[in-house]
Amino acid sequence: NAGVTQTPKFQVLKTGQSMTLQCAQDMNHEYMSWYRQDPGMGLRLIHYSVGAGITDQGEVPNGYNVSRSTTEDFPLRLLSAAPSQTSVYFCASRPRTGVLAGGKNIQYFGAGTRLSVL
Amino acid sequence: AQTVTQSQPEMSVQEAETVTLSCTYDTSENNYYLFWYKQPPSRQMILVIRQEAYKQQNATENRFSVNFQKAAKSFSLKISDSQLGDTAMYFCASLGTASKLTFGTGTRLQVTL
Repeated sequence: NAGVTQTPKFQVLKTGQSMTLQCAQDMNHEYMSWYRQDPGMGLRLIHYSVGAGITDQGEVPNGYNVSRSTTEDFPLRLLSAAPSQTSVYFCASRPRTGVLAGGKNIQYFGAGTRLSVL
Repeated sequence: AQTVTQSQPEMSVQEAETVTLSCTYDTSENNYYLFWYKQPPSRQMILVIRQEAYKQQNATENRFSVNFQKAAKSFSLKISDSQLGDTAMYFCASLGTASKLTFGTGTRLQVTL
């Protein structure tokens, strides 16, 4: 049971460097999302996708790009890392049943990536 | 837009005792889901319990139960017979028709001997 897999688990970057956080799920979930977790602020939505080829911005999208070329993968790109992007990042997925369609609507999370930008 | 508020940053409970974590939310929707997630020191997000807003019956999962007050927009989590393994951050979250899961800021629960 792989579920949602995030890589890497830890990363240290210098200001201005770029990198991609990888996220893959093997549950055939249509809906995937990226969150960042900062002390005292809970989890905040960065970007999300309701299916391959479709992405949209969340609450804190600035400084991040995403793409969804396949159902399984949803990478998060930092084009020019800043110290303000030091955080723990979570990828999540769930079936696209929606509250109106019923279903459990349970979101599954990856193990997280701790990113430090110096 | 949905908002979720957890007003207790930290709580402590003795082993085998009962503790209640508070959560209030704001939504204009009629159809939505509410969740409690647990985040232990391992950082993994673990679903504890979920509640459909259209169901009046409070959800229960073993030692975990909720008190869902729809009119008051309140969704508290009760943990009975607390165990050391319950020590974690607990997040309340809501999911509406816009398909975005909104989280509260969390409550850090410490279970002591």
